[in-house]
Amino acid sequence: DAGVIQSPRHEVTEMGQEVTLRCKPISGHDYLFWYRQTMMRGLELLIYFNNNVPIDDSGMPEDRFSAKMPNASFSTLKIQPSEPRDSAVYFCASSLAAGGLEAFFGQGTRLTVV
Amino acid sequence: AQKITQTQPGMFVQEKEAVTLDCTYDTSDQSYGLFWYKQPSSGEMIFLIYQGSYDEQNATEGRYSLNFQKARKSANLVISASQLGDSAMYFCAMRDSGGYNKLIFGAGTRLAVHP
Repeated sequence: DAGVIQSPRHEVTEMGQEVTLRCKPISGHDYLFWYRQTMMRGLELLIYFNNNVPIDDSGMPEDRFSAKMPNASFSTLKIQPSEPRDSAVYFCASSLAAGGLEAFFGQGTRLTVV
Repeated sequence: AQKITQTQPGMFVQEKEAVTLDCTYDTSDQSYGLFWYKQPSSGEMIFLIYQGSYDEQNATEGRYSLNFQKARKSANLVISASQLGDSAMYFCAMRDSGGYNKLIFGAGTRLAVHP
């Protein structure tokens, strides 16, 4: 399996622009997570899905952030409009059903908003 | 609320020696899971080892072992025979009790292995 695939790997955008981050989870995984990593706040869980349904979006910082999972093999995290403080590394991770199984992470998207 | 605490922002160790990275956790749940991940400078998150709260034996994976002390709520990672390639950030994480495999991460410890 190719693992969790995120695109793009790097994104530089201007403040006010819309940004869309993409994730393809590992085939067969039931759970998909979006995390954000910054120096100040570490790794924060933004939102996660179970069988394509959002379960908990309490980590989404503002209404400017939205996430969708239209099918089992694709998810997006959108920021509109983007702000400099959104600059971070965004990770997508997937895992099988609840149990002792680890979450597998993608390579991350490094977002810079100027 | 569940919480993971890693009190060592940075550690260093000589190559070939063992090192222990500390992790304490707080939860009122009886069933939970503890994980360690490695993040090298390239940025990816690599799963290292898992310990379930009901596991009686400490988990081991190659040079990694987890020193699980349930009463103390600690889950320290021990790396034996350190290698230069072990230099990275190490994160302790706990699986949420909601059963959805949500991971809560600590702040991380940066390990530097010196030759």
